[in-house]
Amino acid sequence: NAGVTQTPKFQVLKTGQSMTLQCAQDMNHEYMSWYRQDPGMGLRLIHYSVGAGITDQGEVPNGYNVSRSTTEDFPLRLLSAAPSQTSVYFCASSYSQTGKGEPQHFGDGTRLSIL
Amino acid sequence: GNSVTQMEGPVTLSEEAFLTINCTYTATGYPSLFWYVQYPGEGLQLLLKATKADDKGSNKGFEATYRKETTSFHLEKGSVQVSDSAVYFCALKYMGSARQLTFGSGTQLTVLP
Repeated sequence: NAGVTQTPKFQVLKTGQSMTLQCAQDMNHEYMSWYRQDPGMGLRLIHYSVGAGITDQGEVPNGYNVSRSTTEDFPLRLLSAAPSQTSVYFCASSYSQTGKGEPQHFGDGTRLSIL
Repeated sequence: GNSVTQMEGPVTLSEEAFLTINCTYTATGYPSLFWYVQYPGEGLQLLLKATKADDKGSNKGFEATYRKETTSFHLEKGSVQVSDSAVYFCALKYMGSARQLTFGSGTQLTVLP
């Protein structure tokens, strides 16, 4: 049981390049989300999905795209990388959005640097 | 809107010292409250949780009590170990929103032998 798997673990991009951060979970979780972690700012929600075919914006969605074609996968796309997108990105999942005490399960993160 | 405020870090303690990391929140209704821990190079792991007022969450010697009257969820441990060195995040989950968790900014804890 792998939990939440993120790839790659590290990536360096040049400004203007595009790339996709992969996230997969094997727990049959409905809810998946992407966060970015920046020093002194905790985790901020980028996009989330409450089920296959359904996505919505979080707190900081600009410059990112997501899709949810399957329950297992929730890729995050950077359309045209900017230095402000240098961050650590975490994918998370949980069984449902409605469980009161339901915790989120996090991947190990992708460390992204934009030059 | 909902928000979580954590005490500023970093916090440095000697092994076996008492730990308190303060967390207060602002939210309408009755959110669930969580503490997550992040060890170096890893993702966040759930440490403990409380889903209603006066609940006490506990795990690995850590405790936190959901205090509605003071809107607080302070993390405590009686005797810290070097292996407790990590970043600790307080978070709330508001059932009226599909956006799930709102995080505090995190508190870096370093325990010296």
